[in-house]
Amino acid sequence: ETGVTQSPTHLIKTRGQQVTLRCSSQSGHNTVSWYQQALGQGPQFIFQYYREEENGRGNFPPRFSGLQFPNYSSELNVNALELDDSALYLCASSGLTENYGYTFGSGTRLTVV
Amino acid sequence: EDKVVQSPLSLVVHEGDTVTLNCSYEVTNFRSLLWYKQEKKAPTFLFMLTSSGIEKKSGRLSSILDKKELSSILNITATQTGDSAIYLCAVVPNSGGYQKVTFGTGTKLQVIP
Repeated sequence: ETGVTQSPTHLIKTRGQQVTLRCSSQSGHNTVSWYQQALGQGPQFIFQYYREEENGRGNFPPRFSGLQFPNYSSELNVNALELDDSALYLCASSGLTENYGYTFGSGTRLTVV
Repeated sequence: EDKVVQSPLSLVVHEGDTVTLNCSYEVTNFRSLLWYKQEKKAPTFLFMLTSSGIEKKSGRLSSILDKKELSSILNITATQTGDSAIYLCAVVPNSGGYQKVTFGTGTKLQVIP
C-alpha cells in the first residue's frame, strides 16, 4: 500500500477553469515531485518541491504552479485549463537518501472538456 | 535534454515465456536508473541500478545496467498474467539535489493464459 495519498482521484473540468490537486507525501519524505502522464506516454516532469521551495521545473508553462507545506504535503494548481491538460497527474515523494527511489501516489485523473 | 528510449513499445507473450525489456538512455552526469511497474495508476518501484554489471534480482524479475552501452534490461522469467502492466524505465541525473527524473514511454506487456 502506497504511503503517498492524492486527491481527488478523478476530476472533470471545463476549458478555462482552474484546478487544484493535492498530495500527502510518505512519512519521512521531504521532497515532492509532480508528473503529468498523458495516455500512452511516460510521466513528464512538471516540478519538484523541497522544503517548501520549488527545486526544479520541467517544460511546463507558468499556469502550472505549486506549493509545498511545512508538513511536506503539496498542491498542484493549473489555471486556464486546456483540453491537452487532460491526463493522469502523479505525485511522487522521496527522501534524499542513498536508497533513492520515488514512491508514487495513485494519481488524479483530470479530464478537461 | 535527458532522454530515455524503451523497446519494444508493446509485447504479447504466453504464460511461462521469458521476456526481456530494453531501456537506453542519454543523461548528463548519470546517477541511477530506475525500473517501475505501472498496472493501473501508481507506478510501483522495482529496481534502482547505479553500478554497471551488477544484477539486481527480485523473484522472477531481474535487471542489469550497462553504463558503457548506456542501457539496461529487465528480464521476467516464467511470466504470469499478473505481470501484465506497463514497465517504465527512468534515469536520475546527479545534479546536486535537484532530481529531475526522466521517464521513457514504457513497454506495455500483456501476458495471455
